[in-house]
Amino acid sequence: EPEVTQTPSHQVTQMGQEVILRCVPISNHLYFYWYRQILGQKVEFLVSFYNNEISEKSEIFDDQFSVERPDGSNFTLKIRSTKLEDSAMYFCASSGGRRQETQYFGPGTRLLVL
Amino acid sequence: AQSVTQLDSQVPVFEEAPVELRCNYSSSVSVYLFWYVQYPNQGLQLLLKYLSGSTLVKGINGFEAEFNKSQTSFHLRKPSVHISDTAEYFCAVVSYNTDKLIFGTGTRLQVFP
Repeated sequence: EPEVTQTPSHQVTQMGQEVILRCVPISNHLYFYWYRQILGQKVEFLVSFYNNEISEKSEIFDDQFSVERPDGSNFTLKIRSTKLEDSAMYFCASSGGRRQETQYFGPGTRLLVL
Repeated sequence: AQSVTQLDSQVPVFEEAPVELRCNYSSSVSVYLFWYVQYPNQGLQLLLKYLSGSTLVKGINGFEAEFNKSQTSFHLRKPSVHISDTAEYFCAVVSYNTDKLIFGTGTRLQVFP
């Protein structure tokens, strides 16, 4: 069964450093998402991406964040200058359509900013 | 704006007992409703979803949920749980005019032998 994969599974970085989190969505999906879950808190939406552009983003997704689909298979989340409060589990998801279509989630990348 | 409330942060239950995990939502527009499960060290997996039609929805692993529009609820049930059902369960909604899933805080189901 096709699945969403994410690398790395864990990332430790120093505050102020740039990190890139990578995702390989399900191959025939067209809609891509990033969510994050700070320890002990809700899973929160960050951004959705379709047709090579951001279709929706949350207040969390400020200028420090960017997303890219550099080729036909990868989908990346870049945090330009990490802060302590960026420490969280980051989930990538993909879907074949909008709204009621199921979003399939990857296993997550646990980011720790020191 | 939409919101999801899962009142029970933890639900302990013995194996083979029935369980209900509660979910209430708030929205001024129509929504689609989902239950996801997260096993330890894994991603979120869809258990079931309600889009329209019959209010009783059956999902994987013997779970079912009932949509109640008047009570704005979407409670998850299983008549007989197994040890392997121990996991975190998340209720989520998405409205017709957005793609973002809004999640509840999750309910940790702990099944004891």
